Amino acid sequence: QLQLQESGPGLVKPSETLSLTCTVSGGSISSSSYYWGWIRQPPGKGLEWIGSIYYSGSTYYNPSLKSRVTISVDTSKNQFSLKLSSVTAADTAVYYCARDYSNYDLWGRGTLVTVSS
Amino acid sequence: DIQMTQSPSSLSASVGDRVTITCRASQSISSYLNWYQQKPGKAPKLLIYAASSLQSGVPSRFSGSGSGTDFTLTISSLQPEDFATYYCQQSYSTPQITFGPGTKVDIK
Repeated sequence: QLQLQESGPGLVKPSETLSLTCTVSGGSISSSSYYWGWIRQPPGKGLEWIGSIYYSGSTYYNPSLKSRVTISVDTSKNQFSLKLSSVTAADTAVYYCARDYSNYDLWGRGTLVTVSS
Repeated sequence: DIQMTQSPSSLSASVGDRVTITCRASQSISSYLNWYQQKPGKAPKLLIYAASSLQSGVPSRFSGSGSGTDFTLTISSLQPEDFATYYCQQSYSTPQITFGPGTKVDIK
């Protein structure tokens, strides 16, 4: 069955770029039925959609983060990635990748990224 | 963009209680509304999609209703494993979606 797994550094310095990868296993990321998304959750707070990508490379971003976010896909590795630039402490959160079928029916376990010097 | 609100922000209930959570959209979203349950330290879990369709494997005590701007999640008889935070999410403007702020259900 399809599974998603986030990976990347757990600690990022302020002003640097946060980089995470989501590896999809048990199925193809190139399915025409789905987008693939990133969602984050600051400690003790709610869920915030960051952005989504289609296997073709079409991207959609949260307007509040758009200037700092890049999402890309590597179909040969069955992965999609998130880059968030110029991070501050406000970007400290658990970052989730998930399958987007108009609803998020499959999620990774999440990875905590702390922004601190 | 479409804003989502939820009420109440938290509630206390007992096992066996009927629990109702409300979600409101800032504009009509037809039936493009999903509900999630999240337990501490875990990823959210899809409960209800398209306002009233039960996701596979979700107990039938969960139900959803509504259309347009007003939606409801109902737990008919609260079980110990249902104590969690619940989020609504609009998919009308998919893939540019928004979540509600969440409703925490805890033990009275």
